Amino acid sequence: DTEVTQTPKHLVMGMTNKKSLKCEQHMGHRAMYWYKQKAKKPPELMFVYSYEKLSINESVPSRFSPECPNSSLLNLHLHALQPEDSALYLCASSQGWGPISSGNTIYFGEGSWLTVV
Amino acid sequence: QKEVEQNSGPLSVPEGAIASLNCTYSDRVSQSFFWYRQYSGKSPELIMSIYSNGDKEDGRFTAQLNKASQYVSLLIRDSQPSDSATYLCAVNRDDKIIFGKGTRLHILP
Repeated sequence: DTEVTQTPKHLVMGMTNKKSLKCEQHMGHRAMYWYKQKAKKPPELMFVYSYEKLSINESVPSRFSPECPNSSLLNLHLHALQPEDSALYLCASSQGWGPISSGNTIYFGEGSWLTVV
Repeated sequence: QKEVEQNSGPLSVPEGAIASLNCTYSDRVSQSFFWYRQYSGKSPELIMSIYSNGDKEDGRFTAQLNKASQYVSLLIRDSQPSDSATYLCAVNRDDKIIFGKGTRLHILP
């Protein structure tokens, strides 16, 4: 079982709604990630937090707003989404971050299935 | 050239045979290489990580890395129906992990 926990597992929201996806890891990892995955496509990186600071934003639209309250928690706030934003949203964590780090192995949570109607 | 390339498959392998999954990458300075397994409707699960040239074995799985050829592969021995899944190759580029599109593996009972 993954030690990266995501809630909710399924979310249906309207285009005017505000909702949040939540992620928690209990492995003492210092890097956390949000990925988006569409059907039959690979995961696409959205955001990277390292030591609770936003390190990478892959030009994600502002209707997606990440938040890292502490080293164990990562949220993704959703507002005014479009139907094309429907996807599997994956949270992940790693011990470290960066190519040199031997602890850069990424572990995924089970994901949150988002449907925008 | 795509950064991480995999044959999308499906790759059909008889039960009990060896499944061979291949991946090439474009960035010569990549140092970290990963194989993830993803069942339909589920999240990716780490199978193997490899950092040095050569082979790395873990149970029925063997990862092979050839940095000179920019090639990483995954061998699955004694394939089981439960191995049927999409296998994602992932490679670091700078500070990011980049995924290939995945190879669908189908083990024939």
